[in-house]
Parts: sequence; C-alpha cells; structure tokens
Amino acid sequence: DTAVSQTPKYLVTQMGNDKSIKCEQNLGHDTMYWYKQDSKKFLKIMFSYNNKELIINETVPNRFSPKSPDKAHLNLHINSLELGDSAVYFCASSQVGRSTYNEQFFGPGTRLTVL
Amino acid sequence: EDQVTQSPEALRLQEGESSSLNCSYTVSGLRGLFWYRQDPGKGPEFLFTLYSAGEEKEKERLKATLTKKESFLHITAPKPEDSATYLCAVQAMGSGNTGKLIFGQGTTLQVKP
Repeated sequence: DTAVSQTPKYLVTQMGNDKSIKCEQNLGHDTMYWYKQDSKKFLKIMFSYNNKELIINETVPNRFSPKSPDKAHLNLHINSLELGDSAVYFCASSQVGRSTYNEQFFGPGTRLTVL
Repeated sequence: EDQVTQSPEALRLQEGESSSLNCSYTVSGLRGLFWYRQDPGKGPEFLFTLYSAGEEKEKERLKATLTKKESFLHITAPKPEDSATYLCAVQAMGSGNTGKLIFGQGTTLQVKP
C-alpha cells in the first residue's frame, strides 16, 4: 500500500555514465515533483509535472531530463553524471487541480553517489 | 525573493524538556505553510499545513502556530522517538497552481532519554 515509491533506493555509478530513477504514486494525484536534497539536507525543487505537462523547470543542468508517461509515473534521466550530482533525489506527489492548497507526499528517496 | 529560514539548525533536549522550533519566511503572499518530519534515510513525512495568521494545529506532542512572519513548532514533553529533522516549507501565492514549495534548511532535533 506504498503511496509514493522510487527505484532504485541506492545508485552508485562512475562519472560520465547515464542513469535513470523511476517514481510511481498510487494516490491518484495529478501533480508529481522531483527534489534534490544536498548533504546539508536542503531540499530544492527541480521539476514538476501536472497531468503529464511540465509546469516547473528550475535552474537545472540540461543533463537532467524528466519524463512523465502518465500522471502516476515520473522518471528522471541524468546524462553524463558529475561528482556534484551526488545527492538524495526525492519524488513527491500532490493534488493541485481543484484544490486550493496542496500537501505533498514524498517517496523514500534515491541516494545517488557518483565516483 | 521568497525565502525560508529555520532556527536553530540543531537542538538537543532531555526527554520531557519542552521547546520550540522557529521558521521565518519572506514570501510575496502566503498560500500555505507546511511542516514535515524527516527521519534519517527516509523521505519527509507531512505533519501540518497552516493557511492564515493565528491558526494553530496540534498532533500528539506537536503544536504548530503561524504569524504573518513566522511559524513555530512547539514540542511539549518530547520523547526520544521525536528525534528527527523538522522541515518547514512555504507555498507562495505567486506559485499559481504549480504547488511549488520553498523549503528551509531544517532543524535537527535530538531528544535524549
């Protein structure tokens, strides 16, 4: 009965590689997000999709490309990984449409380590 | 620029020793203020949403309050299981229907038995 799930939980890879992280939510929400949490635990939004449409695209290198095949799934592909990409990546979802306010529910996170 | 600042960065309490965490915000119109709890190795867990100054919400030993410039998370008689990082986030009116949240850097609470 997991609400927001991510795979993999851990990802260790070499510089220059390409990797993907997958996220799924079963809450019936219309909006999904990707966040990056650095070593100081600062959580910063990267992207957001509403009903498969990109609605937030923060200042993120274009090596990062999100894709939403449907409103229950949001994937993050990262090309040419760099050392500075090492962080914990969180997926979240919320119901924004027909809702004045929204609480976001987070997945367990993917810890990415670039060597 | 919209901004959220939490203090203190870290807090150590003895079991039963009540205290408060602070979240100061600067935002162009507040749509909502959110408190989350994050345990090590896990994702943030939603606690409260506050919408307007003067509003208060409670859950077990936690009570969140809101003014026009800041929010407090009061912890009454904490237990070791309350140890976690507490995150504050705001949603600005200017965010429209994007749901965009701006987070503070968190307060890491340690409660010793």
